[in-house]
Formats: sequence, C-alpha cells, structure tokens
Amino acid sequence: DIVMTQAPLSVSVTPGESASISCRSSKSLLHSNGITYVYWYLQKPGKSPQLLIYRMSNLASGVPDRFSGSGSETDFTLKISRVEAEDVGIYYCGQLLENPFTFGSGTKLEIK
Amino acid sequence: EVKLLESGGGLVQPGGSMRLSCAASGFTFTDFYMYWIRQPAGKAPEWLGFIRNKANGYTTEYNPSVKGRFTISRDNTQNMLYLQMNTLRAEDTATYYCAGAYGYWGQGVMVTVSS
Repeated sequence: DIVMTQAPLSVSVTPGESASISCRSSKSLLHSNGITYVYWYLQKPGKSPQLLIYRMSNLASGVPDRFSGSGSETDFTLKISRVEAEDVGIYYCGQLLENPFTFGSGTKLEIK
Repeated sequence: EVKLLESGGGLVQPGGSMRLSCAASGFTFTDFYMYWIRQPAGKAPEWLGFIRNKANGYTTEYNPSVKGRFTISRDNTQNMLYLQMNTLRAEDTATYYCAGAYGYWGQGVMVTVSS
C-alpha cells in the first residue's frame, strides 16, 4: 500500500497568518497521463471530511482561494493563507492513484 | 445541489451482517464513480472500495482489508449505492461514509459491532 506521511501532527496559527501542511507519499503519485493523484480534505469538528484540493493543485468547488496545493511526485504541500477561525479541524492528504487508496494520519489545525 | 444520505447503521453482533444504503441526488448518478469510506472514532479515514460509472461498466474495486467480506453495489434506477457487510468484526466499528460526485461525502452513519 502507498503510505502517506503528514507533518506536522498539529499546528497552531494566529488568525490572518499562513499555515503549511506537508504530505509525503511512499511512491510517486504521478500517473502516466500527467495527473498527480493527491487530494486534500478538511474534517471540521463533528462533520464529515470535505474535499479542498484535487489532483494536487485544483481547488474544489466552493473552497476559498486562500487554500492552495502544490508539490512534486512524492512531496506535497497544502498552504492556507490568511487563516480564519472556520479553518479549524483536521486536514488529511490522500492518494487516489492506486488501490487501496490511502490517507495520511492527519494534521490538526488550531487557532491561537 | 449534490446530496448523499447514508442509512442502515446501528448495532450488530460479531459475525453478523449489515447493509448500508446511500441515497444520491443532485447529479447524474450513472456518470460518477461512487465510494465507501469508513472512519473509526479518533482515527483517519480508510477507503473501503468503489464502483465505477456507466462508461466503465460499473465494475468494483476493494481494499484488501475488506475484500471478500464487503460488497459494493448500485441501483442506477433509484440512484442508490449499497454496502453489504458480512462476517462483521469489532474492528469494523466506525462511521461509514459514501462519497461520489465532485468529491462530496455524505454525513456518515455509525456501525457498532459488539455483543
């Protein structure tokens, strides 16, 4: 199975500041079709996960452009600019390249 | 508006069976792959498997961790997705989500396997 490793485990951010979350995969997520199959999700407290970023850098519908995704074949970053109180929750990266699809263990974002 | 609504969860004894349903609306159901994911309390989600769309013959793929015990199916006339779970174990206790179009997830349904 492809292992997704996230860092840090938790991050505390002042409103208005930026935050970055890293994710590393144990195998390249770049498909031969040129698409990198890494996804980012946010699970707000008591809610189901919501898609933020798909295929490494594409913003999902309705997601503020304060969120952005970038990376290479195995190293990925989710950046949140101008963090707001509503951004609290657990962020997960996931790979949808190869079955079984897998998630990272999550990064908890808190507000200072 | 995309909506996914799971149902059918609850308490089941070890070794028992349960079928979860997911009612989909707000999109052309047959155009999309549909997925089942579960999440034990306090842990990361785990993909269970998916069923492809019409263009790809509605074939299925499973996580090896549940292959042979869990079966995903769909009723395209009713816009319904199903997860049949057999030989349930305590470690299958989790919140179960369906997911599909545009990355949307349902609100989840709890399954508890306990005697």
